[in-house]
Amino acid sequence: GESVGLHLPTLSVQEGDNSIINCAYSNSASDYFIWYKQESGKGPQFIIDIRSNMDKRQGQRVTVLLNKTVKHLSLQIAATQPGDSAVYFCAENKAGGSYIPTFGRGTSLIVHP
Amino acid sequence: DGGITQSPKYLFRKEGQNVTLSCEQNLNHDAMYWYRQDPGQGLRLIYYSQIVNDFQKGDIAEGYSVSREKKESFPLTVTSAQKNPTAFYLCASSLRRGWETEAFFGQGTRLTVV
Repeated sequence: GESVGLHLPTLSVQEGDNSIINCAYSNSASDYFIWYKQESGKGPQFIIDIRSNMDKRQGQRVTVLLNKTVKHLSLQIAATQPGDSAVYFCAENKAGGSYIPTFGRGTSLIVHP
Repeated sequence: DGGITQSPKYLFRKEGQNVTLSCEQNLNHDAMYWYRQDPGQGLRLIYYSQIVNDFQKGDIAEGYSVSREKKESFPLTVTSAQKNPTAFYLCASSLRRGWETEAFFGQGTRLTVV
């Protein structure tokens, strides 16, 4: 069935590097996407969102890119810090439907000092 | 401060027992959700409720039950019919109006069968 998924389960980077976390979605009707960060033993927290009428959105040190042609979403973290170590999930929603956050498997980001 | 509170943080259950996980929110959100998370896995939807006195099954509802008698509360009962209940349980809430809305999560309850 249609689902949200992630390409890489684990990403290891050095402190100060830029990180890119990818997400593939297959529901062509999805038009709102959110990235969440989950630290160990805690609940996920909102990082950034993007609507389908945009292809890029920037926050503080984070950028989300959306490519609707290939149904691909990415989260870029600039100057990655040890505090960025966490599991990152993308979630999708379909306009006009009930908002039920649908999550992929997640990517574990490990930042080495 | 507004937020969503889950309790207890850790819960131990004996075989054959029913246990209830609490979830309370003071965000005035209409919609509430329960997810299960296993190690190295994503979040799987157990039940959700979009309005008081109404709830719907998610992808893995078997062995679980919920109630939504108050807007603020959405307790989850893990019954003895759930054969593998050991997991991390997350409750979330969101605004119902509009589709551009994020979910707010509690800090989770870790359930272990002993």
